[in-house]
Amino acid sequence: DIQMTQSPSTLSASVGDRVTITCRASQSISSWLAWYQQKPGRAPKLLIYKVSSLESGVSSRFSGSGSGTEFTLTISSLQPEDFATYYCQQYNTYPWTFGQGTKVEIK
Amino acid sequence: QLQLQQSGPGLVQPSETLSLTCTVSGGSVSSTTYNWAWIRQSPGKGLEWIGSLHNSGTTYYNPSLKSRVTISVDTSKNQFSLKVGSLTAADTALYYCASIRVTGTSIGWIPYEYWGQGALVAVSS
Repeated sequence: DIQMTQSPSTLSASVGDRVTITCRASQSISSWLAWYQQKPGRAPKLLIYKVSSLESGVSSRFSGSGSGTEFTLTISSLQPEDFATYYCQQYNTYPWTFGQGTKVEIK
Repeated sequence: QLQLQQSGPGLVQPSETLSLTCTVSGGSVSSTTYNWAWIRQSPGKGLEWIGSLHNSGTTYYNPSLKSRVTISVDTSKNQFSLKVGSLTAADTALYYCASIRVTGTSIGWIPYEYWGQGALVAVSS
């Protein structure tokens, strides 16, 4: 299985901060990388697919980059509604696998 | 816009079989535009892909669960289903159904665009 490792596990930030989350794959996944946001009691929400394609209706303050094995999710200016847990996920090879999550907390 | 509505029991006995259903509205479960998936989430294992049903009818399962899992489709009810057998406490989790959009372009697939509301399943006697 392809292992997806996110860092950091927890991130404390303030409203207005620029935030970056890193996701590393144990082998190349080309560009088949997605990012999700999950809030307590809710299903994950797709933010970005194919590394950098923004899902319809998602704020442009979210962006993604990377290729191969290293990827990043950036929130350009953190808003109150962005405090949540974020997951990366590879869909290059079955079994599709997720990172362990990064919790973005209020500083 | 798709909507996925899950149904199924919340408490299941050890060694028994879990059955969950995901009813699709706003689209057809037999559409070539979508594949379908089941995912579960537990504190210990995080988010875990269980399996997928492609619009070709082919199913793919997580090897860690493969011998115990079946995903099927009922086009007459516009729904797809999950069965997990030989349950243990380790199968206690929040179970989700989700859609995968098949774009047919260089974009490829769009994974897990729509999700069901989730079903909390506890395996306990």
